[in-house]
Amino acid sequence: QLQLQESGPGLVKASETLSLTCSVSGGFIRTTSYYWAWIRQSPGKGLEWIGSFYYSATTFYNPSLRGRVTISIDTSKNQFSLRLTSVTAADAAVYYCARSPVEMATNDNYFDAWGQGLLVSVSS
Amino acid sequence: QSVLTQPPSVSGAPGQRVIISCIGSSSNIGAGYDVHWYQQVPGAAPKVLISGNTNRPSGVPDRFFGSKSGTSASLAITGLQAEDEADYYCQSYDSDLSAWLFGGGTKLTVL
Repeated sequence: QLQLQESGPGLVKASETLSLTCSVSGGFIRTTSYYWAWIRQSPGKGLEWIGSFYYSATTFYNPSLRGRVTISIDTSKNQFSLRLTSVTAADAAVYYCARSPVEMATNDNYFDAWGQGLLVSVSS
Repeated sequence: QSVLTQPPSVSGAPGQRVIISCIGSSSNIGAGYDVHWYQQVPGAAPKVLISGNTNRPSGVPDRFFGSKSGTSASLAITGLQAEDEADYYCQSYDSDLSAWLFGGGTKLTVL
């Protein structure tokens, strides 16, 4: 059974870089059948898609994050990572990693498996 | 304010039917992009209830129905049960924003 598990620091200082890792078990991230994504949830902004990648190294990022985000993968460890630079209080949220089945139309993607989430706070 | 607009809350008695709306625009739902629905109970991650406007993944009770028309979509829950008390979110793609978006969420209270 597929499991996704987020890991990383629960506290990041403002202006610094947030780095999180998602470990995947029960399935391989190097697959043509799924995208892998990061999503966050904060009280103020609700659920927000951060970015997705496909094994071919195709990545999609939310333009609202203005180039601060990078998603990378380590197929040897079956993990993918999120890097968010220049964090502010607005980046405090629960961060989820998720899986998205490849659809006939890419823009019709949804998220069919989620990690349990990791709460990240930002200190000033 | 979310691009996909949902009522903040709905409520119903056990056994009743409730409908949660998701109102979009011509750049998302109205453009023909699929709408998906998620259920989130407190302390847990969202779980997909409806994909591709109307499809129920395996394991989702047939009390949950998704529909879409024009620039809006709806989630209907029939035979309301106490365990249905949760937050519900719609999700679609927006071509103006070039991003997958979620609605603001609707809290369902079972009276």
